[in-house]
Formats: sequence, structure tokens, C-alpha cells
Amino acid sequence: NAGVMQNPRHLVRRRGQEARLRCSPMKGHSHVYWYRQLPEEGLKFMVYLQKENIIDESGMPKERFSAEFPKEGPSILRIQQVVRGDSAAYFCASSPRNPQEGHGYTFGSGTRLTVV
Amino acid sequence: AQSVTQLDSQVPVFEEAPVELRCNYSSSVSVYLFWYVQYPNQGLQLLLKYLSGSTLVESINGFEAEFNKSQTSFHLRKPSVHISDTAEYFCAVSEGSGATNKLIFGTGTLLAVQP
Repeated sequence: NAGVMQNPRHLVRRRGQEARLRCSPMKGHSHVYWYRQLPEEGLKFMVYLQKENIIDESGMPKERFSAEFPKEGPSILRIQQVVRGDSAAYFCASSPRNPQEGHGYTFGSGTRLTVV
Repeated sequence: AQSVTQLDSQVPVFEEAPVELRCNYSSSVSVYLFWYVQYPNQGLQLLLKYLSGSTLVESINGFEAEFNKSQTSFHLRKPSVHISDTAEYFCAVSEGSGATNKLIFGTGTLLAVQP
């Protein structure tokens, strides 16, 4: 049973380009979360999605960032017109159950985005 | 609003010595509490969690944490550390029933075990 799969592991983009980060949750998991880890900081919540629905996007920057979790296929975090400040590790996590049960979730190994 | 404070950014300790990593939280509602461990260039792994019941929770590799509601703390302890325990440790909190399971993380504590 594969864990949460994120790709690519490392991504280098020039300023102004688009970055697309993919996350395949664990089999049977229908809840996906995206977090960002800036250098020397803890993880910051970005967005919580279920299939075809954005449940909570309170941590998403207002511009250039978007996320989706289609009925088929992985969840995608898209960053348009990247800037140097977007350089960070982006982690995806998934959980199988009703989030109200308060279970911790399983994290992927992350995508490390470097903007040059 | 919820917040998590890990006062110690780095804790150096000798192998086989005991260690305590501190975590304090603030929340006006009931919470679930977690400790995650992150090894270099890897994702986070759940170490242990408190949801309800006994305030002392244990992991399979010798770590334990105690939920103290009056002090709003969830400190992580291990009586004897190994070199392999060297990693970044993150404390996290989420709201109880009715919430979206969003986790609020502390800034992390680097546990550096020296021979």
C-alpha cells in the first residue's frame, strides 16, 4: 500500500514561470491537505480539499495560488508567475476519515520548489 | 485563534541521556494534540497523538507525551535517546469535534543527539 505520493521531489523554476505540484493520496483517502514549509519555519496550512471540493482555503495566498482535487487523478497545487519567496517545501497529506474524528494524517515526502 | 509554541529551537543532548521537548498551545476549545518527526529531506511522520482518554500517550520507539490541560502543555519525553533520534520534532494541534482537522504546527525543535 503506497503512501502519499508527491512529485516531483525537486522542482526548479525561473521567476515568472508556473509550478505544478502533484499529490496522490493514499488508497482510500478522500481528504487532502497542502502545507508549506519555509526555511527555518514550521509547516503552515494552505488548503484542505475533498474530491472536487475546496473545503478550507484560508491559508492560501490570495493571488497566483490555486488547488484542485478532481474526481479522477491527483490533487494539484498550482503556483503561477512564481517569485523567489515561493521557494519552500510543499507537503501534501491525506486522511481517510471524517476529519471531525481528529486523526492525524499521513504526509508525503514533499516537493522542494526552488525559484531562481 | 489557536497557536503552538515550541520554545526550544534546538536541543543538544548526549546519547543515552533523557530529553524533554516542550510544547505549549493556546486554544479556547477542546483540542487534539500531535507530535510529528521529520528526518532530513523527508516528510513528517506521526510520532504520537492525544485525542481523549489517558493523558499519557506513548510511541513504539520509547517516546511519550503527557497532555496537561491546566498548563496547556504537551511535552515530549524520552528517558534515553539514541543517535538515530536526531531529527526535527514538530508539535501540532487541531480543534476537536466539528472542525476541519486543520493542523496548527509549532516552529519545530531540532533534537541533536551527540555520541
